Amino acid sequence: AQRVTQPEKLLSVFKGAPVELKCNYSYSGSPELFWYVQYSRQRLQLLLRHISRESIKGFTADLNKGETSFHLKKPFAQEEDSAMYYCAPVIQGAQKLVFGQGTRLTINP
Amino acid sequence: NAGVTQTPKFQVLKTGQSMTLQCAQDMNHEYMSWYRQDPGMGLRLIHYSVGAGITDQGEVPNGYNVSRSTTEDFPLRLLSAAPSQTSVYFCASSLSYSSRNEKLFFGSGTQLSVL
Repeated sequence: AQRVTQPEKLLSVFKGAPVELKCNYSYSGSPELFWYVQYSRQRLQLLLRHISRESIKGFTADLNKGETSFHLKKPFAQEEDSAMYYCAPVIQGAQKLVFGQGTRLTINP
Repeated sequence: NAGVTQTPKFQVLKTGQSMTLQCAQDMNHEYMSWYRQDPGMGLRLIHYSVGAGITDQGEVPNGYNVSRSTTEDFPLRLLSAAPSQTSVYFCASSLSYSSRNEKLFFGSGTQLSVL
């Protein structure tokens, strides 16, 4: 069965510390991988996608096909990074877009 | 473009009442979907549509109906509301479901309480 797991429901780090939000997936084939973010009182929005190899707001995500993981990382957390983060794998032609359970990240001053 | 518009933003229902959550997009998106967001459960897919006249069930479809008579609109109907349906509901759309690179655009959400 296709599954995506974000093992940490809550994650709290101090400002300036590194942060890593974990995402593990179990999919047949090679999914495209996305991270979405929901800031307080804002809509869910795309943060970054693997295919773009981009760094958004200092975040990067490394795809590890061997470990089937797509962890989100930032070397120095900022208070404005506090938000809910969702990992979402997408399979070519898949009609169901399923998200992980989400990780609520809190950055302490 | 207004993007994805959801109404209402807040709703309180009594057990057994029915209602429809509205979702409209003006981006000519092929794919539309409904999710519910619950603490500890994340986002769960309720129903989705890959085009006008085509709908299918997601992870948690029970108690909900949808229809897609036009490309723009994708209403979600609660047939007989139950307290377990208290949640925040999000509508989302994307240009095409067949491309792996398409991102989802989300509505602002509807906070529903069933008493």
